[in-house]
Amino acid sequence: GAGVSQSPRYKVAKRGQDVALRCDPISGHVSLFWYQQALGQGPEFLTYFQNEAQLDKSGLPSDRFFAERPEGSVSTLKIQRTQQEDSAVYLCASNTRRLRVATGELFFGEGSRLTVL
Amino acid sequence: ELKVEQNPLFLSMQEGKNYTIYCNYSTTSDRLYWYRQDPGKSLESLFVLLSNGAVKQEGRLMASLDTKARLSTLHITAAVHDLSATYFCAVVPSSGSARQLTFGSGTQLTVLP
Repeated sequence: GAGVSQSPRYKVAKRGQDVALRCDPISGHVSLFWYQQALGQGPEFLTYFQNEAQLDKSGLPSDRFFAERPEGSVSTLKIQRTQQEDSAVYLCASNTRRLRVATGELFFGEGSRLTVL
Repeated sequence: ELKVEQNPLFLSMQEGKNYTIYCNYSTTSDRLYWYRQDPGKSLESLFVLLSNGAVKQEGRLMASLDTKARLSTLHITAAVHDLSATYFCAVVPSSGSARQLTFGSGTQLTVLP
């Protein structure tokens, strides 16, 4: 596709449910990032992949959060036993370069809005 | 821990007026970015500033960077309604273990007719 695609765009989950959020980066983009954006706040870094390798997961808030990118393209962010504080927009971004850190222009998707009831 | 603070957080201005958004950050930085976000949309990169004294302009927006003061400004000239959006600055620290892009809380700009 032309841009970073995320699905679902909207997800409502009951507290305790598991959710999976998908990111399709721009074709050929090596670097992929996940961010969490709470209402009225700026995005906060969660994790970073270079191809299939997860090089930085320092931003994942708890062990309920897990991300993977098994073939170096599509990525999935999984949240187990969701809590109300997990309600946020989850943004995915990609870049064509091999980035150790999130420098350079990142191309962001429109996000997946998660609401936990 | 890197802190990035923007002010104001909310800004209403009339069309045709000028205003400045400020972005302060707490540690030395490799580079600073400005992004725009429309409601329900993705973040759009506006500017990247790489060195002290850097100034970039695009249309009615001009961004500058003072690395010594750890301050960036986004100046809006003769605002128009189309500029209504939330603007974020974001910084990558020069050192440290967590060298990821750190965003401010955003400035929600509303341009009134």
